[in-house]
Amino acid sequence: NAGVMQNPRHLVRRRGQEARLRCSPMKGHSHVYWYRQLPEEGLKFMVYLQKENIIDESGMPKERFSAEFPKEGPSILRIQQVVRGDSAAYFCASSLKTGGTGEQYFGPGTRLTVT
Amino acid sequence: KNEVEQSPQNLTAQEGEFITINCSYSVGISALHWLQQHPGGGIVSLFMLSSGKKKHGRLIATINIQEKHSSLHITASHPRDSAVYICAVTAGNQFYFGTGTSLTVIP
Repeated sequence: NAGVMQNPRHLVRRRGQEARLRCSPMKGHSHVYWYRQLPEEGLKFMVYLQKENIIDESGMPKERFSAEFPKEGPSILRIQQVVRGDSAAYFCASSLKTGGTGEQYFGPGTRLTVT
Repeated sequence: KNEVEQSPQNLTAQEGEFITINCSYSVGISALHWLQQHPGGGIVSLFMLSSGKKKHGRLIATINIQEKHSSLHITASHPRDSAVYICAVTAGNQFYFGTGTSLTVIP
């Protein structure tokens, strides 16, 4: 049973470009979470999704950031018009159970660098 | 004020020592998680607790719901335990993380 997969592992974008980060949850998991870890800071919750639904996006910046988890395929975190402050490690996690009651399994992360 | 506070922030121990990392939280929770992040950045979930105590190998996690406090203990510490240990709580759909405890175990 493969773990949570994220790609790319490293992504370099110039200011103003778009970044697309992908997360494939563990087999059978329908709950996906995205977290951001800024340099020298702790993890911050961004968004919680179930298949085709955004359950809680209270941690997402209001502009330029969006997330989806379609019926088929991976979850996508999309950052439009990236700025230097978006440089961070982005982790996704998946769980079997709803909300906070299920153990979360983390992917290896995508390290985004904006130049 | 953070919803989750960890202490200490940094910890250096000699191999073999018993280690305790503490976590206090200020919100009502459905679960508390202890995570381990290695220098390469990968994150591993160590424990998920909603009450009592759990043990896995040399790791023990306890939680006191009334006092809103959890501890992570490492017995017979080893250099490979060197990592950042993160306490996180889930409250409904909200997730709150501590800033982590950086542990270095010296041979």
